[in-house]
Amino acid sequence: NAGVTQTPKFRILKIGQSMTLQCAQDMNHNYMYWYRQDPGMGLKLIYYSVGAGITDKGEVPNGYNVSRSTTEDFPLRLELAAPSQTSVYFCASSRDSGSPYEQYFGPGTRLTVT
Amino acid sequence: TQLLEQSPQFLSIQEGENLTVYCNSSSVFSSLQWYRQEPGEGPVLLVTVVTGGEVKKLKRLTFQFGDARKDSSLHITAAQPGDTGLYLCAGDYNQGGKLIFGQGTELSVKP
Repeated sequence: NAGVTQTPKFRILKIGQSMTLQCAQDMNHNYMYWYRQDPGMGLKLIYYSVGAGITDKGEVPNGYNVSRSTTEDFPLRLELAAPSQTSVYFCASSRDSGSPYEQYFGPGTRLTVT
Repeated sequence: TQLLEQSPQFLSIQEGENLTVYCNSSSVFSSLQWYRQEPGEGPVLLVTVVTGGEVKKLKRLTFQFGDARKDSSLHITAAQPGDTGLYLCAGDYNQGGKLIFGQGTELSVKP
């Protein structure tokens, strides 16, 4: 199993550009999450999904959009990139039964907006 | 709004020393998880604690959940350079799968 995969690993965007961060998991997990990590700030939840077709906002959703058309994929869309979106983005997944939402993380995407 | 506070934020010690990291909240968790993150990688789950007063050991790491399920600690015995990394606690407040993460403790163990 590859676990949780994310692409790209690094990206530089100009202000106002758009992009999609890709995330896929092969563990058949229903729950998937997008976080951003800024220095000294821990992880902040952007959006999450409890299954295909169902998404909900987290703590910091402004400037982002998500979709969940399949169990495996959970892309994060940035529209009109701003310098405040410079961060490291992590995708994660978890089971929705058994263990209490233990999360498996991808390797992250480091995004710089200039 | 639930808040998880970790302390200390930074810790730099010599190999062989012991250390304790704390995670505190004013709210009750249904469970709490500890993760370790190395530079350039995603966090990796170390342990989950569920029952108040629970103690779990993972080699030289000891995790404790407070009796009231509002706090937790991570104790490392005889730290090694390989323990260097960011330690994150994450609380489950029964919010349908959403976790709240602390800001992390950056640990550096020097040989």
